Amino acid sequence: DIQMTQSPSSLSASIGDRVTITCRASQFINKYLNWYRQKPGKAPELLISGASSLQSGVPSRFSGRGYGTDFTLTISSLQPEDSATYYCQQSYTLPWTFGPGTFVEVK
Amino acid sequence: QLHLQESGPGLAKPSETLSLTCSVSGVSITNSNYYWGWVRQPPGKGLEWIGSVFYAGTTNYNPSLERRVSISVDTSKSQFSLKVTSVTAADTAVYYCARHPTYDYGDPCFDYWGQGILVTVSS
Repeated sequence: DIQMTQSPSSLSASIGDRVTITCRASQFINKYLNWYRQKPGKAPELLISGASSLQSGVPSRFSGRGYGTDFTLTISSLQPEDSATYYCQQSYTLPWTFGPGTFVEVK
Repeated sequence: QLHLQESGPGLAKPSETLSLTCSVSGVSITNSNYYWGWVRQPPGKGLEWIGSVFYAGTTNYNPSLERRVSISVDTSKSQFSLKVTSVTAADTAVYYCARHPTYDYGDPCFDYWGQGILVTVSS
């Protein structure tokens, strides 16, 4: 299985801050990397697919980059509603696997 | 508007079979551009893909669960179902159903999710 790691595991930032989360795959996954946001008690919500494609309806402050094994999710200006856990997920090969998550606290 | 809704018992006894159903509305489950999958999340932990089914019946499973899992589809009811046999406390989780495009159609990702259903395994 492809192992996904994320860093940091948690962070605390202020409204308006720029925040970057890193995701690394244990082997090459091309551009098959997706990002989800999960608020407490809710289902995950797809933010970005294919490493950099912003989903319809997702605010433009979210952006994704990367290829191969290293990827990033950036929130350009953190908002209160961004307090959540963020997961990366590879869909390059089965079984699809998720990263352990990054908890983002908005101060 | 696509809507996915999980249903089933919220409690299962150890060694028994967990059965859940996902009802799909707002889009045809027979759309050849999508698979329909299950993802679970133990309390306070991360996400695990369980498996997926195509409307024609083709399935893919996570090898870690494959011996105990089966996923089927009932196109006449616009539903797909999950069965997990010989459950233990480790199967206690929120179970989500979700849709994902085929590789041919678009980025393979879980683009729509149900709200999730908590299943507790306990005697």
